Amino acid sequence: DIQMTQSPSSLSASVGDRVTITCRASQSISRYLNWYQQKPGKAPKFLIHAASSLQSGVPSRFSGSGSGTDFTLSISSLQPEDFATYYCQQSYSTPYSFGQGTKLEIK
Amino acid sequence: EVQLVESGGGLVQPGGSLRLSCAASGFTFSSYWMHWVRQAPGKGLVWVSRINSDGSSTSYADSVKGRFTISRDNAKKTLYLQMNSLRAEDTAVYYCAREIGVYDAFDIWGQGTMVTVSS
Repeated sequence: DIQMTQSPSSLSASVGDRVTITCRASQSISRYLNWYQQKPGKAPKFLIHAASSLQSGVPSRFSGSGSGTDFTLSISSLQPEDFATYYCQQSYSTPYSFGQGTKLEIK
Repeated sequence: EVQLVESGGGLVQPGGSLRLSCAASGFTFSSYWMHWVRQAPGKGLVWVSRINSDGSSTSYADSVKGRFTISRDNAKKTLYLQMNSLRAEDTAVYYCAREIGVYDAFDIWGQGTMVTVSS
């Protein structure tokens, strides 16, 4: 099974900051990497697929990059609504594993 | 509106059974592969199971294999998860999700249904 490891597990930042979250796969997954945002008590929201393709309606301040085993999610200028938990997920092979999550908090 | 709505969660004793449902609307349900994902209280997301568009192929996480069964009724536009031999560690919010595209992302999620396994 493929293991996904996110770092950091938590992150404090201010409105307007640029932040980057890293996701590493235990083996190469090509570009089969997706990102989701989850707010407390809500279902996850789909942000990015294929490592870097933004889902329709997602603000352009979100971006993704990477291939193989190393991936990043960046938010260029944090807005108040961006404070949430972010998960990466590999869809290269089942079981479709998720990272443990990165909680983005307001500083 | 494209929507998934789960139901069927609740409190069940260890060893018991429960069947979750996920009703789809606003899209051609029979064209999409579907998944179940769960989230224990205060924990992260864990993939549970997948079914292809016509129901002929399924996959499971090792933790539920042999106890859970995913199925679908395309005429009723409904996805199911039959959960048997439930354990305390199955306690979680269960989400259904639609898979899209070549890269198998989950673009639509239901609101979730809570399953609590406790005596």
